[in-house]
Amino acid sequence: QKEVEQNSGPLSVPEGAIASLNCTYSDRGSQSFFWYRQYSGKSPELIMFIYSNGDKEDGRFTAQLNKASQYVSLLIRDSQPSDSATYLCAVNPNNLFFGTGTRLTVIP
Amino acid sequence: GAVVSQHPSWVICKSGTSVKIECRSLDFQATTMFWYRQFPKQSLMLMATSNEGSKATYEQGVEKDKFLINHASLTLSTLTVTSAHPEDSSFYICSARAVNTNYNEQFFGPGTRLTVL
Repeated sequence: QKEVEQNSGPLSVPEGAIASLNCTYSDRGSQSFFWYRQYSGKSPELIMFIYSNGDKEDGRFTAQLNKASQYVSLLIRDSQPSDSATYLCAVNPNNLFFGTGTRLTVIP
Repeated sequence: GAVVSQHPSWVICKSGTSVKIECRSLDFQATTMFWYRQFPKQSLMLMATSNEGSKATYEQGVEKDKFLINHASLTLSTLTVTSAHPEDSSFYICSARAVNTNYNEQFFGPGTRLTVL
């Protein structure tokens, strides 16, 4: 079983819609959870992280964590074409374990 | 804050030569730096973890004698690809974890695109 699993997509949403990205992890001891965005040909950039059950909001982004279900998600409200990228979920027991990423396309 | 630089941003070399890539944390001290490789349309693959002042820990399948890692200070790690071959052509990305982080977040450098002819 992979440490971190993500739906590889691609996920397409119209501009202005909510994009929902999901991630499951296997290590119950994981303490912190990260979402990175990677544009084609660029390195990943940290969007946000979460460590407590529940929701964490930052602008148009909301991370949701459910440790009992070993599930973390990222919601992007009012999606913009500039949000089109690959989104990587990372989970940290000690070092980061990355999912394979979900490719998001926001259609104008 | 939390800026990581890499140099060079791209390099083209002949087969058999060695290439050194530098990774620097510019505004924080990093106890641990990580080196990743990414082939086109694939996910990040962790190559090795380096801690300042100690030997790097390599992931399974990564040749430590081919990919030499040095982490001599809290702000600098280097990756040297020795005797590079065309199959080593890839996007090499470093990341750094701060000394005083509570949540172990990593910050990535902009990456180095290596092309071996």
